[in-house]
Amino acid sequence: GEDVEQSLFLSVREGDSSVINCTYTDSSSTYLYWYKQEPGAGLQLLTYIFSNMDMKQDQRLTVLLNKKDKHLSLRIADTQTGDSAIYFCAEASVSSGSARQLTFGSGTQLTVLP
Amino acid sequence: GAVVSQHPSWVICKSGTSVKIECRSLDFQATTMFWYRQFPKQSLMLMATSNEGSKATYEQGVEKDKFLINHASLTLSTLTVTSAHPEDSSFYICSARTTTGGWKTQYFGPGTRLLVL
Repeated sequence: GEDVEQSLFLSVREGDSSVINCTYTDSSSTYLYWYKQEPGAGLQLLTYIFSNMDMKQDQRLTVLLNKKDKHLSLRIADTQTGDSAIYFCAEASVSSGSARQLTFGSGTQLTVLP
Repeated sequence: GAVVSQHPSWVICKSGTSVKIECRSLDFQATTMFWYRQFPKQSLMLMATSNEGSKATYEQGVEKDKFLINHASLTLSTLTVTSAHPEDSSFYICSARTTTGGWKTQYFGPGTRLLVL
């Protein structure tokens, strides 16, 4: 089945850039997503990228997609303490049903140090 | 933006009782709703997909008689954990997809933390 992998932890200093990496296996993925989860809360969609794109920038967020290597990354510029959270990458994949559903990575805990 | 609410936000119950969790799309209609389960420090695992007016589709390994899902309207889906046991303790998150947005417009609720004693 589909598999999405992420490193579990990342620590950065406030003001530095953070880069969170993700690899996936489903070559039919059309959309790839980044979600943010703060403690005790649900998921907030940060950004997404269509598979025919290499890069997408949205304010402090930059998504890079290497479709050949099935590698996705999220760069957060000027990281702030409020960015501390768990970041999930996800792909839209076909399940046993007909509807495409999201497969999530394990999540990367980002800790921003003052 | 679109808002998905869940009620209750947390619940503690005794083993053997049933617990109902509601998921509502507040300002949009959702033909499809998803229920996820998340264990501490782990990812979200899809439990089932429900379409309004039809039976839910459960993922492999999820007991449909244990986790009853009802998607009664375009704005409400419920998950009932029947005869709950301590191993059912978890964080349950629902998600709703809009009728027009496609895959990218899937919004998540804040989650319900269930503790079974």
